[in-house]
Parts: sequence; C-alpha cells; structure tokens
Amino acid sequence: DAKTTQPNSMESNEEEPVHLPCNHSTISGTDYIHWYRQLPSQGPEYVIHGLTSNVNNRMASLAIAEDRKSSTLILHRATLRDAAVYYCILRDDRGSTLGRLYFGRGTQLTVWP
Amino acid sequence: NAGVTQTPKFQVLKTGQSMTLQCAQDMNHEYMSWYRQDPGMGLRLIHYSVGAGITDQGEVPNGYNVSRSTTEDFPLRLLSAAPSQTSVYFCASYSPAGNSYEQYFGPGTRLTVT
Repeated sequence: DAKTTQPNSMESNEEEPVHLPCNHSTISGTDYIHWYRQLPSQGPEYVIHGLTSNVNNRMASLAIAEDRKSSTLILHRATLRDAAVYYCILRDDRGSTLGRLYFGRGTQLTVWP
Repeated sequence: NAGVTQTPKFQVLKTGQSMTLQCAQDMNHEYMSWYRQDPGMGLRLIHYSVGAGITDQGEVPNGYNVSRSTTEDFPLRLLSAAPSQTSVYFCASYSPAGNSYEQYFGPGTRLTVT
C-alpha cells in the first residue's frame, strides 16, 4: 500500500514557487516522510525527507503538519528541469522492512516557460 | 563513483525465454532492491537484500529470482518470461547508516516480452 495521497498533476510557471501537497492520514509515529522525483526516462532521485520538523536542503523545503497527517514539498523557484513526477513516500522502518519505500503514482509536475 | 549501474538498457525477449538483469553498485551499500514500473504507475518492490547472502520477497516476487553473493552485485533473474513482465526495471541501493536511508537508483532496464 502506498499509504499517501497526492494530486495526479500540477502545473507551474518557471521561476514561480510550487507547493506539492501530500496526505498521509495513517502515518505511524516511526514513519519518515520521503520525497523522490523521477525525471523522464530516468530512475527516481531523492529530494528530501523529514520526521516532524520542517526541513530545508539545496533542492527543496519540506513542511510537515503538526499532526503529521500531511506534508508539502516546496520548490522555491521552479525551473524547466524540475518537470518530473514527484513521489511522497512513507519510509517503513519496522524490523526486516527497514528503510523500504512504498511508491504511489505521484504528482506529475509540468513547468511552463 | 559510478553509483548504481544496470545492464542491459533495453531487452526484448520471447515468451518463455529466461534472462538475467544485472545491477551493481560501488558505494558499499548493504541494502539493494529491485523494482518494476509499469506505464503510468509508481514503482513496486520485487525483491530486496539486506546484505550478502540475505534476500527476501517484496510485493510482486512471482516469476523472479535473486541472489546476493557479493555486496556489489544483485542480479535479477526472469525464469520464464511472460508478456506481463513487460516493464521498466530499476535497481536501487542504500545504507541504513544515519537516518537518511537515501536510495540511489540505477537508470533502468526497459524489458519487452513478446
């Protein structure tokens, strides 16, 4: 089970901020929230992850709701290269499934010049 | 570092043929996984390994075998190819050190079974 819900598609103009939402109402206390993206004809690549606090890195920011039932990936200035499918994933750290990722269908982000 | 490499990039098989998809990583990662991605879908886990000599099944293991004799290599074998196995196959590796567990994916193998 993917365990997350994302919009099928979103659009943005170049150089504008993009907020990609994700709902994960059944998240458990030990689940980390991961975001990966997949550029056309490539394998997924890691974007960012977090547990409870908001996180920033060179690629994006991750805002996590206080109840952890939703999160938002923020691209501060979209570029054409950011056009990709973005996956919001709960990382399973239980026992033998340590670190496993469950991919849903993700959100297809289109960036217009 | 080359990261995660996969061969071949493309492959066409006839129903019933067998083949091995190769995956190698040079990051000394303990964990390696195989996923398949069907058109318009997310990735589904086929098999994974938490170290040399240790493998386990994922969500869709039927029709596939794996083994892990070294840390670097994790080949995926299709025993008797079926059209339903037409897909793009991705190999990934990661280390559980720290809390990132960032997975590194290969470029994929596009397989068509006729």
